[in-house]
Amino acid sequence: SQLAEENLWALSVHEGESVTVNCSYKTSITALQWYRQKSGEGPAQLILIRSNEREKRNGRLRATLDTSSQSSSLSITATRCEDTAVYFCATYNQGKLIFGQGTKLSIKP
Amino acid sequence: AQTIHQWPVAEIKAVGSPLSLGCTIKGKSSPNLYWYWQATGGTLQQLFYSITVGQVESVVQLNLSASRPKDDQFILSTEKLLLSHSGFYLCAWSPWGQDTQYFGPGTRLLVL
Repeated sequence: SQLAEENLWALSVHEGESVTVNCSYKTSITALQWYRQKSGEGPAQLILIRSNEREKRNGRLRATLDTSSQSSSLSITATRCEDTAVYFCATYNQGKLIFGQGTKLSIKP
Repeated sequence: AQTIHQWPVAEIKAVGSPLSLGCTIKGKSSPNLYWYWQATGGTLQQLFYSITVGQVESVVQLNLSASRPKDDQFILSTEKLLLSHSGFYLCAWSPWGQDTQYFGPGTRLLVL
């Protein structure tokens, strides 16, 4: 089983709405990363949040980390069609970056 | 600025044939390099990593091998393709000591 897992396989919202993708992980971590992968492209990191941080922002993106419940969330406000992608959380374990299964987010016009 | 280039963009190969995929990073010296495999609709699975020229560590055994002949080049290969090798191959790099990985555009492989 994955060390980090997104909680939903797919989400769909209308453009302009806000959306949150959730992730849970199973081991002690020093940091958690959120990546976005658009169709046919390689992933790109959105946010890296360290274990001593509770929240981190990057433009319309906001990530939270709750080490007590071993969970993280990525919120996107004012969604745009170009936010359509698969969103992965990822954590390091024994030197390897382990990705969750991903949440496919579709933004409808 | 650093750039990462993968070649070829896509390949269709026969079962049992050899394969060589390449990755080049420009603008960064001595990066850590990684190969990942992704099934269609699946997650990313790390295959190999390298922290220096000539040294490659295997993470998952998939009848593939990797080499780092130059500081900026990472090669993934096999002498005999299997149907299960089909998928999306991604090369990534990270600066030494940093957690963020930067991914290339990928190579899509179909084995028939």
